[in-house]
Amino acid sequence: AQSVTQLGSHVSVSEGALVLLRCNYSSSVPPYLFWYVQYPNQGLQLLLKYTTGATLVKGINGFEAEFKKSETSFHLTKPSAHMSDAAEYFCAVSDESYIPTFGRGTSLIVHP
Amino acid sequence: EPEVTQTPSHQVTQMGQEVILRCVPISNHLYFYWYRQILGQKVEFLVSFYNNEISEKSEIFDDQFSVERPDGSNFTLKIRSTKLEDSAMYFCASRGDTENQPQHFGDGTRLSIL
Repeated sequence: AQSVTQLGSHVSVSEGALVLLRCNYSSSVPPYLFWYVQYPNQGLQLLLKYTTGATLVKGINGFEAEFKKSETSFHLTKPSAHMSDAAEYFCAVSDESYIPTFGRGTSLIVHP
Repeated sequence: EPEVTQTPSHQVTQMGQEVILRCVPISNHLYFYWYRQILGQKVEFLVSFYNNEISEKSEIFDDQFSVERPDGSNFTLKIRSTKLEDSAMYFCASRGDTENQPQHFGDGTRLSIL
């Protein structure tokens, strides 16, 4: 069984500030990990994924995430927030089936 | 870039009626999926489909749900007798068959049951 916990249903940052969205997972097999972004009235867009190899993964729009097995974490970061980053972010875990189990999502609010 | 397209964007249906949600996956993809997201809750897996048959399904996907690939392009989700609790966003996704390919999602259909 797999599960994902996203700490904080809402995260608020100022434009230009660091973005940190937290994700912890539980998996009985080596996990595949994903971050998706959902803009209003749109579907889920893949930001980045970890399957194997390098534990620091770079994605689109300047986001990156680091897989830390010892902490069972896959936190999402971006050095400098932009207004256009305001959206809902979902962390997800899967096994080799690539069927993700999603977290509840974190709403990122960016203040001018 | 190719996209997964879903129609309609919003469907309003009376309770007890049948509804069909339509999806056109990316043309060279072979794996197809339906998910739902009840307002304010997480995205939940419903079913996956490969080689013209269901490969996995969740507990949510009971006998009132069915999926079909009626032709070479469409992938449909049918809910036979809708209930109020079926109101949600329904997302279709597709994936290619090369290693490490992620799923590509459509923009969803908002289903409102009255």
